[in-house]
Amino acid sequence: QQQVKQSPQSLIVQKGGISIINCAYENTAFDYFPWYQQFPGKGPALLIAIRPDVSEKKEGRFTISFNKSAKQFSLHIMDSQPGDSATYFCAASRGGADGLTFGKGTHLIIQP
Amino acid sequence: GAGVSQTPSNKVTEKGKYVELRCDPISGHTALYWYRQSLGQGPEFLIYFQGTGAADDSGLPNDRFFAVRPEGSVSTLKIQRTERGDSAVYLCASSSTGLETQYFGPGTRLLVL
Repeated sequence: QQQVKQSPQSLIVQKGGISIINCAYENTAFDYFPWYQQFPGKGPALLIAIRPDVSEKKEGRFTISFNKSAKQFSLHIMDSQPGDSATYFCAASRGGADGLTFGKGTHLIIQP
Repeated sequence: GAGVSQTPSNKVTEKGKYVELRCDPISGHTALYWYRQSLGQGPEFLIYFQGTGAADDSGLPNDRFFAVRPEGSVSTLKIQRTERGDSAVYLCASSSTGLETQYFGPGTRLLVL
């Protein structure tokens, strides 16, 4: 049973555009939702994270939107740049120090 | 400061052999995690240590997999009787006490022939 479903699998966006990646979760006990960025040959790196007590969090060009009733959250990358080309993973956990449950990833390509 | 380090970076072994993968967490981080990432997939949780003890080993796929962290710092993931299906990148992450952010190492790429 896949507990975190991520879409799309791949995404191509023009430079300067908005990249949008969506995730849906099933386990209502999840209360911590991070997004990770991974470059080839590297480990994932935390981009931004949110808890369900807020509906949106913004850090620079990255925004998480969270819909608790729909059990969905999304990542928006504003003014997308070629350097943003990477694989992005959403994840969820029960908070604290629990292990993360990851989505399958989105391969993002920003065309110059 | 130094991040999470993992050794070896690559490991090629034959089916049936035993392998050990090492993780050095960020200094002072009490929580340590192991994940497995298959090609084209997201990381899959294996085990979590808080200090020296395994707080959650529910992700270990079977009894061929075992992990230790005897002094609460370095951890070793041990795989017995390796199978071709064990081929993957094994990632280690650490976090500070009470904080949720997990910092990942670069991973060990395991290939079982």
